[in-house]
Amino acid sequence: GAGVSQTPSNKVTEKGKYVELRCDPISGHTALYWYRQSLGQGPEFLIYFQGTGAADDSGLPNDRFFAVRPEGSVSTLKIQRTERGDSAVYLCASSLTPGTSGHNEQFFGPGTRLTVL
Amino acid sequence: AQRVTQPEKLLSVFKGAPVELKCNYSYSGSPELFWYVQYSRQRLQLLLRHISRESIKGFTADLNKGETSFHLKKPFAQEEDSAMYYCALPAFNTDKLIFGTGTRLQVFP
Repeated sequence: GAGVSQTPSNKVTEKGKYVELRCDPISGHTALYWYRQSLGQGPEFLIYFQGTGAADDSGLPNDRFFAVRPEGSVSTLKIQRTERGDSAVYLCASSLTPGTSGHNEQFFGPGTRLTVL
Repeated sequence: AQRVTQPEKLLSVFKGAPVELKCNYSYSGSPELFWYVQYSRQRLQLLLRHISRESIKGFTADLNKGETSFHLKKPFAQEEDSAMYYCALPAFNTDKLIFGTGTRLQVFP
C-alpha cells in the first residue's frame, strides 16, 4: 500500500514568510510524528499526535511552530515568520497505536526540504 | 538525559570487509534500541530493533547494557550497504525517538 507522503517535496521561502507543510500518514495509523533534520544531524522530535490531539509538543522550538491534525489523518505543520535557522528537512512518520509492550515501528515519509532565504 | 551517540561520521570499507557501526546510549532503565537506515534517494526506514534479535540483510546488533552500547555489525560488507545509518531509542515513557547524528557507511568495490 501507499506509504507516508509529504508535500511539497521542496519549499523555498523568504525570511518572515509563513509556510505550511503537509503529511499524509499510512491509512489506519493513529500515531503521527514530526521531526526536523538539520544538515549533519539526526532527526529531532518536534511533535506527536495520537488521533486528533497533540500528545506531546515538547519538541517545538518556539511559538512560531504549530501543527494540527483535525480529522486524525492528514497533519499540517505551520511555521510563522520563518527564519533562516528554520531551514532543514522536515520529516513526518506514522505508526499504529502505541502498544502496551514495545514500540511500534515508525514509517517515515520522504521529507520536505525547507529553505529560508 | 537520554542520549544516543554515534562517534563516527563516516566509515569507509572495501567490499567483503567486516563492518561495525558504533552506537552508545545513556538511558535510565531498560531501553529499546533501533537502527534506522537511509539509502541514497530513499526514505528513512527501520533496519532492525534489538527486541526482535534477528539478522536483517546480514546485519546484527546486540544490546550491551554494561557498556551501554548497541553496535551494528556485518561480517562481510556489500556495496549495496552504502547508506546513512542512525541509531535511535524512544524517550523514556514515550514513543518519540531520539536519534544519533548518524554514520555514513561507504563500501568500495
